[in-house]
Amino acid sequence: DTAVSQTPKYLVTQMGNDKSIKCEQNLGHDTMYWYKQDSKKFLKIMFSYNNKELIINETVPNRFSPKSPDKAHLNLHINSLELGDSAVYFCASSQGPTGYWQYFGPGTRLTVT
Amino acid sequence: KQEVTQIPAALSVPEGENLVLNCSFTDSAIYNLQWFRQDPGKGLTSLLLIQSSQREQTSGRLNASLDKSSGRSTLYIAASQPGDSATYLCAVSGIPGANSKLTFGKGITLSVRP
Repeated sequence: DTAVSQTPKYLVTQMGNDKSIKCEQNLGHDTMYWYKQDSKKFLKIMFSYNNKELIINETVPNRFSPKSPDKAHLNLHINSLELGDSAVYFCASSQGPTGYWQYFGPGTRLTVT
Repeated sequence: KQEVTQIPAALSVPEGENLVLNCSFTDSAIYNLQWFRQDPGKGLTSLLLIQSSQREQTSGRLNASLDKSSGRSTLYIAASQPGDSATYLCAVSGIPGANSKLTFGKGITLSVRP
């Protein structure tokens, strides 16, 4: 029974396109996150939502727009994709916003050509 | 700004060896520290979480210690096995509020040779 799931697992697209990545958690957690892992494997937080409310918004281009329709879902929409957006994007969830174990999804490998 | 460093970037050991993975952080005002494991092409799996008031946590062959004042943590793996081969990441959580996010190190890629 998958705890945190993401779709799609792989995404190959051209520059300038708009794409979305979906995330769902069935753990009953209140907090969800999006992370980006670049080609050097460095993992950095992008956004965090708690009870559908945005609580962390790192220095991310506004081409990236997260949306949380309910506590179990956090989607990431990316407009006007650029080569530098190529990375692995991870969704995660935790019971609360601070100090709890974080559970990660399997990742979405985005390749922009 | 919190920075987390893990050195070396890669480590290769023979099976059965006890080993220590190091993690250092620049701001000692942390809420907790977590160690994760990442297998190639997979997501992260939480291994251990140490609260800032704790000194160590143990799970099976893994033991993590925390010295908050010196900004250091170690992950000790006893009797290493080939199945332990993975990348191990350390992450610190800031205190509740605007800095409560997890800041990750770049990880140590461990290879255990049979």
